[in-house]
Amino acid sequence: GAVVSQHPSRVICKSGTSVKIECRSLDFQATTMFWYRQFPKKSLMLMATSNEGSKATYEQGVEKDKFLINHASLTLSTLTVTSAHPEDSSFYICSARPTGSNQPQHFGDGTRLSIL
Amino acid sequence: DQQVKQNSPSLSVQEGRISILNCDYTNSMFDYFLWYKKYPAEGPTFLISISSIKDKNEDGRFTVFLNKSAKHLSLHIVPSQPGDSAVYFCAASAWNSGNTPLVFGKGTRLSVIA
Repeated sequence: GAVVSQHPSRVICKSGTSVKIECRSLDFQATTMFWYRQFPKKSLMLMATSNEGSKATYEQGVEKDKFLINHASLTLSTLTVTSAHPEDSSFYICSARPTGSNQPQHFGDGTRLSIL
Repeated sequence: DQQVKQNSPSLSVQEGRISILNCDYTNSMFDYFLWYKKYPAEGPTFLISISSIKDKNEDGRFTVFLNKSAKHLSLHIVPSQPGDSAVYFCAASAWNSGNTPLVFGKGTRLSVIA
């Protein structure tokens, strides 16, 4: 079945550091990928929709200069948390769906980001 | 304003019995619904889905029921097994399109007791 790989799985870094998270579709192409964020005991909240070859679409309240998204190929989207602060600590997760199919979205295993 | 609601944060069921997880939604534009299962430190895994043209979809031990008039769906697991213990997320979208994001409920933690 379709596999989505997310890397790294866990990051611990100092405040002010920029962190890049990669999301790869391993056996399919995806023109669209989604980035979610999950706070403890909360649902997965959509942050942005990543579009291959064009700008990402951000949800209301999500700072696009803070959370940089690049979708340079049909199998890779990256989320960069710039100048991270402790309030950015969270679980970030991406999903993708084979282009042109009616398969459900497949999720990566998520990245636990901890900013000290 | 939560568009997808899972009002039970947790559920405990004995092994072999039926588990029923409930989900309500408010957006009448939603026409595609999914259930995902999530273990700690892993991403959600797709379980089963249903489109609004159906009221039931079955896959092995998992059955999803959709009541459009009540804007309610439920996931039945029969018989429940200890390995089913996880957090279950209900998700919905408008149009089954690759460009449409999913809206998730908060999840229900299912514990199946041996």
